[in-house]
Amino acid sequence: KNEVEQSPQNLTAQEGEFITINCSYSVGISALHWLQQHPGGGIVSLFMLSSGKKKHGRLIATINIQEKHSSLHITASHPRDSAVYICAVRSRSNYQLIWGAGTKLIIKP
Amino acid sequence: EAGVTQFPSHSVIEKGQTVTLRCDPISGHDNLYWYRRVMGKEIKFLLHFVKESKQDESGMPNNRFLAERTGGTYSTLKVQPAELEDSGVYFCASSPVAVESSYNEQFFGPGTRLTVL
Repeated sequence: KNEVEQSPQNLTAQEGEFITINCSYSVGISALHWLQQHPGGGIVSLFMLSSGKKKHGRLIATINIQEKHSSLHITASHPRDSAVYICAVRSRSNYQLIWGAGTKLIIKP
Repeated sequence: EAGVTQFPSHSVIEKGQTVTLRCDPISGHDNLYWYRRVMGKEIKFLLHFVKESKQDESGMPNNRFLAERTGGTYSTLKVQPAELEDSGVYFCASSPVAVESSYNEQFFGPGTRLTVL
C-alpha cells in the first residue's frame, strides 16, 4: 500500500461541474503539495500547504492534518483543466517528497 | 526569469548504452532534486543536492545511476549501462533555500522522457 493514496484514479466530468480530488497519507508530513501535469508536459506546482485552506482562482486546496487527508477542488471546471493532478507529501523525517499515483481528470465541453 | 530546464526532452537508446540527462535549475537555487516516473508507477524520489553536495541519494535505484552537480549549478544524471526498466520520465526540480524547511516549494522542469529499447 502506497503511503499516499489518491482517489479517484480517473475522473470524467462535464464542463462547469464542481470537481473534488482526494488525497490520504499515512506518514508524518511537514507539507503537502498539489501538482498538475498536462499530457506531454512538465509538472506545475499548484499549492503547497501545511494547514487549513488555500485558494487560487478556481482552485481550492484543503488539508486536515489530524485526519491525514487533503482535497483539491475545482469550481466551474473547464476543458483546459484536463490534466493529471498529483498529491505529494513532504516527509517530516527526511524531507523527501512521497508521491501519489495521480488522478487523471478529463473535462468534456 | 527562466524556469527549470531539462535536456534532452526525449531520448531513445538501446539497452546497454549510456545516456546523460541534464538539469539546469533556476538561477540561485541551492536545492536540486531528481525524480523519475517509470511506466505505471508513482513518481519516486531519486536524490537531492544542496549546492554541489549530495544531501540524500537514498532513492537512487542502483550503481548504474550517477548524478553530479559540479560547481553547484546544473546537474547531470548518467545511466550506464541503461536497462529496459530504466524507461520512464525523469524530472528535475529546484528550490531556493539551503536549509530544508516546510516552506521550501519546489519548481519542476518539463522532464526527460527516456526510452530504452
